[in-house]
Amino acid sequence: DAGVIQSPRHEVTEMGQEVTLRCKPISGHDYLFWYRQTMMRGLELLIYFNNNVPIDDSGMPEDRFSAKMPNASFSTLKIQPSEPRDSAVYFCASSGTPGAETQYFGPGTRLLVL
Amino acid sequence: AQSVTQLDSQVPVFEEAPVELRCNYSSSVSVYLFWYVQYPNQGLQLLLKYLSGSTLVESINGFEAEFNKSQTSFHLRKPSVHISDTAEYFCAVMPQGAQKLVFGQGTRLTINP
Repeated sequence: DAGVIQSPRHEVTEMGQEVTLRCKPISGHDYLFWYRQTMMRGLELLIYFNNNVPIDDSGMPEDRFSAKMPNASFSTLKIQPSEPRDSAVYFCASSGTPGAETQYFGPGTRLLVL
Repeated sequence: AQSVTQLDSQVPVFEEAPVELRCNYSSSVSVYLFWYVQYPNQGLQLLLKYLSGSTLVESINGFEAEFNKSQTSFHLRKPSVHISDTAEYFCAVMPQGAQKLVFGQGTRLTINP
């Protein structure tokens, strides 16, 4: 299996622009997670889905952030408008049932907002 | 709520020396425990996990961790480290029955020749 796939790997944008991060989970996995990693706050769970349905979005910072999972093989995390404080590495992870306690992480998207 | 404290932000050791990375957690419910490793510019990889049973768990590359319920700890050890172990190590907990991982701040392990 190719593992969790994320695109783009790097994104540089200007403040105010819309940013869309993409994730393809491991085939057959029914949980998908979005995390953000920063030096100040470490690794934070933003939102997770089960069977394409958002289960917990309590970690989403504010209304500028939105996430969707239109089907079992694709999810997006969108930031509109972006701000410099959104600069971070964004990870997608997936897990399957049974064994849902083990999450497999993608390589991450490094976002820089100027 | 859960919280995880990794007591050392950086640990420098010499090659072939033993190492211990400390992790303590706080939770009002039973949890699963994990160690993840992050090599430079890569995602996180599961190193080992404790779900139930024997409190000592091992990884394929020589790391081990012991769950100590009374001390709420899950320290990671390796008797002899290699240059290739240079990475950041994250301790994490997951409440049983939930899917949310709560991570510690990470410990950067640096191996000197």
